[in-house]
Amino acid sequence: SQQGEEDPQALSIQEGENATMNCSYKTSINNLQWYRQNSGRGLVHLILIRSNEREKHSGRLRVTLDTSKKSSSLLITASRAADTASYFCATDAQGGSEKLVFGKGTKLTVNP
Amino acid sequence: NAGVMQNPRHLVRRRGQEARLRCSPMKGHSHVYWYRQLPEEGLKFMVYLQKENIIDESGMPKERFSAEFPKEGPSILRIQQVVRGDSAAYFCASSRDRVGQYFGPGTRLTVT
Repeated sequence: SQQGEEDPQALSIQEGENATMNCSYKTSINNLQWYRQNSGRGLVHLILIRSNEREKHSGRLRVTLDTSKKSSSLLITASRAADTASYFCATDAQGGSEKLVFGKGTKLTVNP
Repeated sequence: NAGVMQNPRHLVRRRGQEARLRCSPMKGHSHVYWYRQLPEEGLKFMVYLQKENIIDESGMPKERFSAEFPKEGPSILRIQQVVRGDSAAYFCASSRDRVGQYFGPGTRLTVT
C-alpha cells in the first residue's frame, strides 16, 4: 500500500453529524497536510500539522497526529452539506525532497 | 493576493500533438511542484522546480514529458506527442519555503 492512505474510502453522514477520516503512512515525515477537493475542482489546503505536533484545530476541523502509529485523523464537527468533497492527506518524507505523497482520498457525502 | 494560477483550465489535444500547461506560483513563492491526477485517484508527484532548476523529477515519465521554471515567466509542463493515457488533471502547487504547498485549480487535459 502507498504512503498516505485514507480510510474509509467513502463516508456518508447526515448534516450536523461529525465526520472522522483516518490516514496512515509508512515513512518518517516532516509534515502531514489535509486537503479538500470538490468534484472536478482543485485542492484546497485545510491544515498542516508538523511531526512534533499532536493536535491542531482550525474552525470545525480537528487534526491529530500519532507519529508512533504513523497515523493521522481529520475530524469535521457539525458537518454541513457544503462539506461534501473528497479529502486527502499528504505527507512529505523526512530527509527526502519536498514532494507530497497522496492517498486515494475519502469521499465524504453530507446529506441535508 | 492571487493564488496559484494555471492555464488553460481545459485543454483538448489530438493524439500526437503537443500540450503546454502553464503555472504561475503565488507571489513570493519560488518553489513549484507538478502533480497528475487520474480519475478517482489521488495526486501523483511529477516534478519539483525552483527558478531555473529542476530539483526532483523522479515522478516524470522518461519520455515526452519535460518541465521548466524560467527566471521570468510561469512554469511550463510540456507533453510531446500526447497519447490517450495522458488524459488527466494536472495540478501545480507552489510554496515559499518548502512547507505548505498551495495548489492551483488544475488543467484538465483530454486527448482524443
